[in-house]
Amino acid sequence: NAGVTQTPKFRILKIGQSMTLQCTQDMNHNYMYWYRQDPGMGLKLIYYSVGAGITDKGEVPNGYNVSRSTTEDFPLRLELAAPSQTSVYFCASSWERVFDEQYFGPGTRLTVT
Amino acid sequence: GQSLEQPSEVTAVEGAIVQINCTYQTSGFYGLSWYQQHDGGAPTFLSYNGLDGLEETGRFSSFLSRSDSYGYLLLQELQMKDSASYFCALYSSASKIIFGSGTRLSIRP
Repeated sequence: NAGVTQTPKFRILKIGQSMTLQCTQDMNHNYMYWYRQDPGMGLKLIYYSVGAGITDKGEVPNGYNVSRSTTEDFPLRLELAAPSQTSVYFCASSWERVFDEQYFGPGTRLTVT
Repeated sequence: GQSLEQPSEVTAVEGAIVQINCTYQTSGFYGLSWYQQHDGGAPTFLSYNGLDGLEETGRFSSFLSRSDSYGYLLLQELQMKDSASYFCALYSSASKIIFGSGTRLSIRP
């Protein structure tokens, strides 16, 4: 099992550009999450999904969109990138309940200039 | 609102025991988890406390007291590889997962 995989590992965007961060898990987990982590800080929840076709906002959803058409994939879309979106983005998944152990991907380091 | 407080840095000696505290303000939640994160790496799960009391997993233990709004992570027989950041996380619902700002643990030989 590969666990949770994310692509790309690094990306530099210009202000106003858009991109999609990819996330795939092969553990058949129902719950999936997107977090951002700013330097020296904890994780902040952007969006989450409790199953295919169901997504909802977390603490900091503005400027992002998600979709979940399959159990395995949970892409995060950045529209009109801004410098404030410079961060490390982590995708995670868990089995059945939100407080189950979350398995994290390796992260995507994004810089917006 | 909800908030979690952790010390920003803790230093300890190899082979010793260290306790990392996490205090919180919230009206209701499922439980408290702890994650470890090495520099440049992804968080990895250490423990979860749904009920008050102590949970032990090898060298790591975690404790929760809902009446005191307080939890801690206890690391025993410290090894150099335990140098990392440790985060507590509170779960109120699927949309309310709050992470603390993390405690950076440095271990001296």
